[in-house]
Amino acid sequence: QVQLQESGPGLVKPSETLSLTCTVSGGSISSYSWSWIRQPPGKGLEWIGYIDNSGSTKYTPSLKSRVTISVDTSKNQFSLKLSSVTAADTAVYFCARVSFWSGNYIIDYWGQGTLVTVSP
Amino acid sequence: DIQMTQSPSSLSASVGDRVTITCRASQSISSYLNWYQQKPGKAPKVLMSAASSLQSGVPSRFSGSGSGTDFTLSISSLQPEDFATYFCQQSYSIPWTFGQGTKVEVK
Repeated sequence: QVQLQESGPGLVKPSETLSLTCTVSGGSISSYSWSWIRQPPGKGLEWIGYIDNSGSTKYTPSLKSRVTISVDTSKNQFSLKLSSVTAADTAVYFCARVSFWSGNYIIDYWGQGTLVTVSP
Repeated sequence: DIQMTQSPSSLSASVGDRVTITCRASQSISSYLNWYQQKPGKAPKVLMSAASSLQSGVPSRFSGSGSGTDFTLSISSLQPEDFATYFCQQSYSIPWTFGQGTKVEVK
């Protein structure tokens, strides 16, 4: 059974860089694509981006200038960096696996999520 | 970006009721539409992919339909564990986008 676990600081100061890591267990990280999604408190889901098994990345345009997603296959981990954060970046951040199913991409395994608050 | 609009935003229903949630895309997305269920404090769980393909382990009371711009998720007989928020998501084009969610509450 694939499991994902986010880790990283729960509090980040404005203008600094948010850094999160997702550790994948129960399967090889090399065989799939991996994504980050966030959810501001009490609001809906926002897809941030993904990295595929060739290392190619896709990001949502509104965050593209500030986001980097990378993979460390030796540790079976992938990471998110979001620079120049503001209060608007306060959210629960989920890491997730992307699978190709019936000719369609789905987000089929999710971490439990980690709340990151941006505050002085 | 493709906008996904769900209706209603919330609904009240009783155990045993049939429930239908609608998702509309701002442009055609063929059948590249997924449905997720989220319970408070938990990560979303995928229910349906490609508009109508039930994921493994999801009860058959859930069904999906639609293509192009209009999609529906139906629950044939609502069970206590189905009270949750449901999101649609398009995977037709980057950036992937979600609907705002439909909260199914106890009547």
